[in-house]
Amino acid sequence: NAGVTQTPKFQVLKTGQSMTLQCAQDMNHEYMSWYRQDPGMGLRLIHYSVGAGITDQGEVPNGYNVSRSTTEDFPLRLLSAAPSQTSVYFCASSYTPAGTGISDTQYFGPGTRLTVL
Amino acid sequence: DQQVKQNSPSLSVQEGRISILNCDYTNSMFDYFLWYKKYPAEGPTFLISISSIKDKNEDGRFTVFLNKSAKHLSLHIVPSQPGDSAVYFCAASGGLNNDMRFGAGTRLTVKP
Repeated sequence: NAGVTQTPKFQVLKTGQSMTLQCAQDMNHEYMSWYRQDPGMGLRLIHYSVGAGITDQGEVPNGYNVSRSTTEDFPLRLLSAAPSQTSVYFCASSYTPAGTGISDTQYFGPGTRLTVL
Repeated sequence: DQQVKQNSPSLSVQEGRISILNCDYTNSMFDYFLWYKKYPAEGPTFLISISSIKDKNEDGRFTVFLNKSAKHLSLHIVPSQPGDSAVYFCAASGGLNNDMRFGAGTRLTVKP
């Protein structure tokens, strides 16, 4: 049981480049989400999904796209990287969506450290 | 707008003493609160949670207290151990959106 895995661990991009951050979980969780962590800001929700085929925007969605074709995978795409997207990105999953008050514990991946020059 | 605030960026305590980490929130719709612990180069891991119908939840050395009228929660660690040194995030969820809001984190250092 690998839990939540993320690839790559580190990435350096130039402004304007695109890339996809991969996230996979093997716990059969319905809810998956992407956060970014910036100094002094905590973790901010980018996008989330309550099940395959369903995604929605979080607090800071601009510049990012997501899709959820399977229960296991939830990739995050940066369409045209900007220096403001330099951050540490965490993917998380849970049995039920946050906000239901039931089993809201989210399991986080180890993170991807992204630098945009 | 930061709906969850952790006003102390850092806290240092002696091994064996009590650590108290504080968190304030502004959204009265929040009804579920969690604490996560994060070590360097790792993702956050769940520590303890509390529902708004309770005012205290205890799990071993960790206790979370919720004061709904003051929109304040705190995490008590007794006794503190050097292995508790980490960044602690307070989080809250509830209301209309299926999202969770996190505080900025407090870095706890427990000195031997």
